[in-house]
Amino acid sequence: GIQVEQSPPDLILQEGANSTLRCNFSDSVNNLQWFHQNPWGQLINLFYIPSGTKQNGRLSATTVATERYSLLYISSSQTTDSGVYFCAVETGDYKLSFGAGTTVTVRA
Amino acid sequence: NAGVTQTPKFRILKIGQSMTLQCAQDMNHNYMYWYRQDPGMGLKLIYYSVGAGITDKGEVPNGYNVSRSTTEDFPLRLELAAPSQTSVYFCASSYSGQGGDYGYTFGSGTRLTVV
Repeated sequence: GIQVEQSPPDLILQEGANSTLRCNFSDSVNNLQWFHQNPWGQLINLFYIPSGTKQNGRLSATTVATERYSLLYISSSQTTDSGVYFCAVETGDYKLSFGAGTTVTVRA
Repeated sequence: NAGVTQTPKFRILKIGQSMTLQCAQDMNHNYMYWYRQDPGMGLKLIYYSVGAGITDKGEVPNGYNVSRSTTEDFPLRLELAAPSQTSVYFCASSYSGQGGDYGYTFGSGTRLTVV
């Protein structure tokens, strides 16, 4: 099956800092999504982004499908950005394959 | 609009016991999924369904069973619980539409401990 690798595994930020999370995938994909799992365990859909760039407030994402990677940017981080960020991909069968996640801790 | 509702939120089972994790969605989504999340890991697909009456195995189906008698409900059955099934279980749903945004929505999870 498709391999999804996320880096870094852990990230500690001071409030107000910017950061970049990376997702590499091993095959062509129909769908790529970024999720945020908050400290209470709830999974929130951030972006559907199989290619191109999208922005939503302080978060933005870019996927370069031809080079099989996606980046999630967090700008002016806040403590509420803490949690685990997952990249998930789908190759044509509606089933998402998840990476292991990047754990982000934002300190006040 | 409740989205995806999972019950119970927490459960402790003894080895060999059985239980059913409930999942219901009110968005008229065709597709429903069960994932498990082990500590420090991403989610792994257990079973999925593309519509009422249709189910299929995911990546880690052993020890579980599912049924899909209605569009809204997708229960997950654990038979003969084992410590290896200690995990957090997430139900999710999406609407059909290959190549587009599927509206993937997750429930709040069920934390299961088998002792």
